[in-house]
Amino acid sequence: NAGVTQTPKFQVLKTGQSMTLQCAQDMNHEYMSWYRQDPGMGLRLIHYSVGAGITDQGEVPNGYNVSRSTTEDFPLRLLSAAPSQTSVYFCASSTTGIYGYTFGSGTRLTVV
Amino acid sequence: RKEVEQDPGPFNVPEGATVAFNCTYSNSASQSFFWYRQDCRKEPKLLMSVYSSGNEDGRFTAQLNRASQYISLLIRDSKLSDSATYLCVVNEEAGNQAGTALIFGKGTTLSVSS
Repeated sequence: NAGVTQTPKFQVLKTGQSMTLQCAQDMNHEYMSWYRQDPGMGLRLIHYSVGAGITDQGEVPNGYNVSRSTTEDFPLRLLSAAPSQTSVYFCASSTTGIYGYTFGSGTRLTVV
Repeated sequence: RKEVEQDPGPFNVPEGATVAFNCTYSNSASQSFFWYRQDCRKEPKLLMSVYSSGNEDGRFTAQLNRASQYISLLIRDSKLSDSATYLCVVNEEAGNQAGTALIFGKGTTLSVSS
C-alpha cells in the first residue's frame, strides 16, 4: 500500500492563479481531510469528507474548494491564490476518524 | 474555538534521560486523544493513542486525566532518534460528525544529544 499520496510536493504560484492539490489514498478510508500548517501554529482543518459525495468546511475554508467523487481521491482547489495561502498542506485519511489519521507527505506551497 | 495547549520547549536532554510532555485541552466532551510525532519538514505520524487507563508502547507511556483535561507523554531511555516535535492531538467533531476534526497543539520540540 502506498498510503496517502500527495502531489505536487512543491509549488510556487503567482497571486491570483488557481491550482489543484491532489490527494489519493489506497486504504479504502472513508474519512479524508485537508490541513494547513503555518509557523508557530498548530495544523488547522480546511475541509473534510466522510465519504464519496460528502464534504464540509473545517476551521479555515475560505479560498479553498473540495470535492469527493470517489473514495480514493480528495483534491483541494485554490480558487485565486493569495500570499496568505503560503503554507504546508497535508492531506489525511482514516477509517472512522476515532482511531487516528494517516497523513500524506505534504505540499509546500508558496504564493508570490 | 477548541484548543490544545502544549509547552513548546525545546527540551534538550542527554541520551538515556527520561522526559515528560504535557498538554491540556479545552473541550471537556472530547473523546479521543493522540500523540503524533513530526520530524523536520515531514508529515505528522501517529505515535500512540491515549486511553483513560493509560497505555504503554515500549519506552513510551501516555496518560489521560479527564477530570483535569490533561494528557501526558513519558519517554524513557531517550534515543538520538527520538529528536522530533511531539504533537498533542484531540479528535473533535466538525459539524455534527464525530472524529472529523483533529485539533493540534503547536507541538513540543525534543532534542536528544549524545
